[in-house]
Amino acid sequence: DIVLTQSPASLAVSLGQRATISCKASQSVDYDGDSYMNWYQQKPGQPPKLLIYAASNLKSGIPARFSGSGSGTDFTLNIHPVEEEDAATYYCQKSNEDPYTFGGGTKLEIK
Amino acid sequence: EVQLQQSGAELVRPGALVKLSCKASGFNIKDYYLHWVKQRPEEGLEWIGWIDPENGNSICEPKFQDKASITADTSSNTAYLQLSSLTSEDTAVYYCAREVRRAMDCWGQGTSVTVSS
Repeated sequence: DIVLTQSPASLAVSLGQRATISCKASQSVDYDGDSYMNWYQQKPGQPPKLLIYAASNLKSGIPARFSGSGSGTDFTLNIHPVEEEDAATYYCQKSNEDPYTFGGGTKLEIK
Repeated sequence: EVQLQQSGAELVRPGALVKLSCKASGFNIKDYYLHWVKQRPEEGLEWIGWIDPENGNSICEPKFQDKASITADTSSNTAYLQLSSLTSEDTAVYYCAREVRRAMDCWGQGTSVTVSS
């Protein structure tokens, strides 16, 4: 099975600056011309919320300061400019095939 | 409004069985795959599996194949997750989620399961 490795495990970013989170897959998650990597945000006591699907597509209603990029095995979630409300844990997830594995998560703190 | 409403918290004895529900509103579950995800306290997300309610086909991650059973009742627009032979390792919050474009775009609020004697 494909393993997703997120880095860093945690980071602290100043208000208004950029947060960059990496997700590396042990094998390509590309399929039929698309890259099947999704990104979620989870705040304590809440379910995850979808931010980005298929590597770079912003879900409707999600602020444009969130962006995703990458293909094959290397993916990135960027948040710029970071706001107070972005303090949360972020997860990547592969969905090219079963199992729909999640990365280990990255906890973002706002300074 | 698209919603997934999950059943309430469960306190169960070791070795017991529990069945969690996930009732959809605002959409017909026949039109979507529904997934289940586990989150142990202070830990990350673990994908359990999915069901296609239209035909009842389901897939579970191998580590959950002897633990979890996913079913759906289209007449009540509800999906279910049954967990058997419960141990302390099964203490977690369990989420259901709807799949759209191979991503989980709508999530239930979660059901807390505590396994304790």
